[in-house]
Amino acid sequence: GENVEQHPSTLSVQEGDSAVIKCTYSDSASNYFPWYKQELGKGPQLIIDIRSNVGEKKDQRIAVTLNKTAKHFSLHITETQPEDSAVYFCAASSRNSGYSTLTFGKGTMLLVSP
Amino acid sequence: EADIYQTPRYLVIGTGKKITLECSQTMGHDKMYWYQQDPGMELHLIHYSYGVNSTEKGDLSSESTVSRIRTEHFPLTLESARPSHTSQYLCAVKPGVNTGELFFGEGSRLTVL
Repeated sequence: GENVEQHPSTLSVQEGDSAVIKCTYSDSASNYFPWYKQELGKGPQLIIDIRSNVGEKKDQRIAVTLNKTAKHFSLHITETQPEDSAVYFCAASSRNSGYSTLTFGKGTMLLVSP
Repeated sequence: EADIYQTPRYLVIGTGKKITLECSQTMGHDKMYWYQQDPGMELHLIHYSYGVNSTEKGDLSSESTVSRIRTEHFPLTLESARPSHTSQYLCAVKPGVNTGELFFGEGSRLTVL
């Protein structure tokens, strides 16, 4: 089955700095890669996703890059703000399984200091 | 989009009690999931359902059971709670056919004393 590794487990940055979270996956059939943000006391919420036919996707201050050859993808947050503090999860899913299940990374706790 | 409701949000009970965590959705989506989230943040899939009368076990073995008698409801039951069951339980639905996006509820935090 799929295995998703996520690093780092914790990340502390100053407000205004950039933050990068990296994930690797094992199943070459995986072709859908979402990122979720989980704020304290809430469920995870999708913030951005990318499919394997695209190398990069941006949405305002967040971007995701995908390297299919190396089987890794990354989340980039620029101009971080205190409200970006949360736990971030990467995940992978395959069209071969009908996108029925997501395999999650172990999460990264991002702390943005004012 | 999906509106997912989980109750109770917080529950503190004693060992040996039977508990049911409720999960309901209003949009009629077939695919629903239960995840267990340990204090270390990691999400573990424990049960899923692809429709009425369909339930499957997930990647992480769990002593809990689920049922799907109606499309709208996907309750999770622990017959005899133990301290090791203390965790956050998250319910999710997958509305899309060609996407893996999940919509999560806000979770039920269970503490077993």
